[in-house]
Formats: sequence, C-alpha cells, structure tokens
Amino acid sequence: DADVTQTPRNRITKTGKRIMLECSQTKGHDRMYWYRQDPGLGLRLIYYSFDVKDINKGEISDGYSVSRQAQAKFSLSLESAIPNQTALYFCATSGPAGGSYNEQFFGPGTRLTVL
Amino acid sequence: DAKTTQPTSMDCAEGRAANLPCNHSTISGNEYVYWYRQIHSQGPQYIIHGLKNNETNEMASLIITEDRKSSTLILPHATLRDTAVYYCIVRAVNAGNNRKLIWGLGTSLAVNP
Repeated sequence: DADVTQTPRNRITKTGKRIMLECSQTKGHDRMYWYRQDPGLGLRLIYYSFDVKDINKGEISDGYSVSRQAQAKFSLSLESAIPNQTALYFCATSGPAGGSYNEQFFGPGTRLTVL
Repeated sequence: DAKTTQPTSMDCAEGRAANLPCNHSTISGNEYVYWYRQIHSQGPQYIIHGLKNNETNEMASLIITEDRKSSTLILPHATLRDTAVYYCIVRAVNAGNNRKLIWGLGTSLAVNP
C-alpha cells in the first residue's frame, strides 16, 4: 500500500462548487503539506501543518482552506471553485524536526479541472 | 531564501552519466541542497541532499563546490526510466523554525536510447 494516498485522483467540477481533496498517510509523520502544480510554474505551497494543532499558510492560500483532522489526515478545500484553480494538487509529508534530514514524501496527485 | 538556477532541459544517452548542474550562489551557511525528481505527472521523489560534503546513495551522487555556490547531481548510468524533471532546492529555515522547500522549474532530463 502507498504511504501517502490522495482522493480523488481526478475530479471535474463546475465553477462555484465546493470541493474537498483528501490526503492520508501511514508514515507516522507530523508534518503535512498541500501543493499545486501548474504547467510552467513548478510546485507552489498552499498550506502546511507541522502537527494537528498547527496550520500555516503557504505562498498561495487565497481561495483554499485546510483541515488537519488527525495526524494522518490533511484535507484541502476549495470553498467556491474557480477555473484558475484547475491544476495538479499534491499532498506531502515529512518527518519530525531536527537534524539535516527533511525528505518530503509525496502522494500520487489529484488532477482537478474546474469548468 | 536562497534561489536556484538550473538549465531548462538536458539530454543524455542511455548508459552514460547524466550531470545536472544547479547554481545557488546566494545560499546561506546553514542551508542544505536537496534534489528531487518528478517522473511525468507523478508525485516528486526525493533523491539526495547535502550541506557541504559530497554525498552518494544508491540513486545518485551530489557534488557541492567548496564555496557552496553550485552543485551537480550525477546519475552514473542513466536509464530510460531516469527521464524526468529534476529539481534542485535549497531548504529555507525561517525564524519560526519552519522548514519549507521552495521549488523552481527544474531541469527536464531526456535519456535517449
């Protein structure tokens, strides 16, 4: 089984709809992240969480919200989807702070299309 | 936060070494260099990281210049499955001790038969 799973893998929705993307991990990591990827723009950080009670905005949080329901679960919501939120979304996790090692483990991605 | 500069694309013959350069001339003394790759539209995959010493693992070698202003990722015997976008990232550590990876556009490596 994959260590980081994302659901759904693909989603087509209409402008104005509320959408939730879910991420679950079995790595026991405290830290979780949501990124979006657009052609020609690379990965951009939307939100990140370093533990269940810690939520932080990334570079492009406008139009998004998150919920850290448990250590293993981190959901991303689009309250009212718009076409420029069409992108590939990735969830990632990483281990605890300390030392030099901070490898991020990524999920398979969710391809979201907003019509 | 230190930024990185990489060539947009590179080609390599199958079986030969692939050498991917990265410039990070504004890197700070406590910032690490990380390399990830992304095959097609899959989630990025960690390759290797280093601070100032050269590093090697089962996937690749990382050579960091003495002044730490640039580095090279080496795939010693590239295969077709190494075709991917390779990202060189400098880890940012801010006052709140948060650790975020700042991603650029990477180098698109094509390994040719």
